[in-house]
Amino acid sequence: NAGVTQTPKFRILKIGQSMTLQCTQDMNHNYMYWYRQDPGMGLKLIYYSVGAGITDKGEVPNGYNVSRSTTEDFPLRLELAAPSQTSVYFCASSYLRASGESTQYFGPGTRLTVL
Amino acid sequence: DQQVKQNSPSLSVQEGRISILNCDYTNSMFDYFLWYKKYPAEGPTFLISISSIKDKNEDGRFTVFLNKSAKHLSLHIVPSQPGDSAVYFCALRNNNDMRFGAGTRLTVKP
Repeated sequence: NAGVTQTPKFRILKIGQSMTLQCTQDMNHNYMYWYRQDPGMGLKLIYYSVGAGITDKGEVPNGYNVSRSTTEDFPLRLELAAPSQTSVYFCASSYLRASGESTQYFGPGTRLTVL
Repeated sequence: DQQVKQNSPSLSVQEGRISILNCDYTNSMFDYFLWYKKYPAEGPTFLISISSIKDKNEDGRFTVFLNKSAKHLSLHIVPSQPGDSAVYFCALRNNNDMRFGAGTRLTVKP
């Protein structure tokens, strides 16, 4: 299993450009998440999905959109890039155990700079 | 709105000694408490967790303690090894919402 893969690893955008960060998992997990991590800060949840066709906002959703057409893929879309979106973006997936525990497995991250 | 705080940005310990990482929170609704470890240029990896109905969970050299009345979570690593040097994040779950602390950078000196 490759686990959670993210592309690209690095990207530089100009203000106002758009892009899609790709995330794929091969563990058949129902739950998928997008986080951003700013320097010196913890990860903040942008959007999450509990299954194909279902998405919901996290703590910091403004400026982003997501879709979940398949179990495997959970792309994150930036429509009008702003310098405040310069960050490292992590995708994660998980499944819910009968005990209620759900461990998240993270991808390696995408480092995005908006100039 | 900082619901989760890791007040020590860094910690340095000698190899073989105990490392204690701390995490404080304000929201009593969290039901699962986790610790993640992160190396540079990699995503966080799961280390250990505890549910809100327990006060201790042990896995090898790692033990997590939960004090619900004090809203305090801690991770003990003993004995500490140089390979444990990384950034450690506490993460607290409330349904599908996960809140992370800012992280503590642990350095274990040989």
